[in-house]
Amino acid sequence: DQQVKQNSPSLSVQEGRISILNCDYTNSMFDYFLWYKKYPAEGPTFLISISSIKDKNEDGRFTVFLNKSAKHLSLHIVPSQPGDSAVYFCATLLIGADGLTFGKGTHLIIQP
Amino acid sequence: NAGVTQTPKFQVLKTGQSMTLQCAQDMNHEYMSWYRQDPGMGLRLIHYSVGAGITDQGEVPNGYNVSRSTTEDFPLRLLSAAPSQTSVYFCASSYSIQSEAFFGQGTRLTVV
Repeated sequence: DQQVKQNSPSLSVQEGRISILNCDYTNSMFDYFLWYKKYPAEGPTFLISISSIKDKNEDGRFTVFLNKSAKHLSLHIVPSQPGDSAVYFCATLLIGADGLTFGKGTHLIIQP
Repeated sequence: NAGVTQTPKFQVLKTGQSMTLQCAQDMNHEYMSWYRQDPGMGLRLIHYSVGAGITDQGEVPNGYNVSRSTTEDFPLRLLSAAPSQTSVYFCASSYSIQSEAFFGQGTRLTVV
């Protein structure tokens, strides 16, 4: 059973508007949450992360929100730019576990 | 600054053949890992290593072997390739399991 779910396979947003990507998880013990961005034919690149002890982390145009009671996190991109078009993966980490657990990804398309 | 380097980028194998996917990092990271990505799926952990001489299995280890004789290198061996191993393989490294991972560009493997 999937522990990390990204229920929207794709999302289309107009340039300049806000992009909101969502991620749900099932294990309340996860300690750390990360977002990766992936362009075609390239490896994923780290974007932003948040610890389970926080509910918000901001880095420039990117903000991640964590709602532990709902087991939900979201990535906000404001304003959206054409270069943001990519697949975004949500990933979680449990301290003491062997590695990251990834969602299936959301393909973000920024339209001019 | 090379980061994580994977070779080859593309490979076609016949069923039953063996091969080694190479991965090298120049960041002196202790933790290295191999993931596979299949269409419509997130990345799944195959094997990982927390330091030279130490390796362990991830979520989908069957059909693969790894070794870690140096900090820099973490090759992935396919013992007897099967069509089910057709996938894109990513190698990653990080300072520790809890740190952000840096990924290579990937190896697209097709087994016919």
